[in-house]
Amino acid sequence: GAVVSQHPSWVICKSGTSVKIECRSLDFQATTMFWYRQFPKQSLMLMATSNEGSKATYEQGVEKDKFLINHASLTLSTLTVTSAHPEDSSFYICSALTGRGTISPQHFGDGTRLSIL
Amino acid sequence: EDQVTQSPEALRLQEGESSSLNCSYTVSGLRGLFWYRQDPGKGPEFLFTLYSAGEEKEKERLKATLTKKESFLHITAPKPEDSATYLCAVYYGGSQGNLIFGKGTKLSVKP
Repeated sequence: GAVVSQHPSWVICKSGTSVKIECRSLDFQATTMFWYRQFPKQSLMLMATSNEGSKATYEQGVEKDKFLINHASLTLSTLTVTSAHPEDSSFYICSALTGRGTISPQHFGDGTRLSIL
Repeated sequence: EDQVTQSPEALRLQEGESSSLNCSYTVSGLRGLFWYRQDPGKGPEFLFTLYSAGEEKEKERLKATLTKKESFLHITAPKPEDSATYLCAVYYGGSQGNLIFGKGTKLSVKP
């Protein structure tokens, strides 16, 4: 149980392109999803918290106009990197909470490797 | 400053050689501590949740323990398939996005 699917797993695109990443909870409903960024040999850094039906909450230093998050249903959240540049190249991972109002673990997708040329 | 520190950064073991990984934390109001396993190019896979000092959880060759300042992940008689990076994350209350991750311990088990 608690399977999170992330798509695509790898994207290579030109500078200036916008890229959309999907995160789906396959066997449960997720009212809250999270988006992280991970650099090599570094810990996961939270970018934003996404709640179904409401605006995402962004962490300090994360540009909301750059990283657009939509959580339109209980099983799908999307992250769009707008006008991507080489410095946006990274490993992006989403996660979802299975519990509501409890201290439950986050379950993670397999990540998206984004490379901007 | 709230911090989570994992040690060692990397650990090489021979198959069958038991050892422990450490996760020390300096957050106030710990609500939960999570252990994850991450394989290269993959997202973290949930292993354990620990809520209070003295608690222990076991799964196959892994056992996680928690004190007021640190957690240990004990690996008994590891196999090559246990090779991965093990991440510790601390939840300290409020929004459940308030997770602080350590940098992980990269475990390599040689046959």
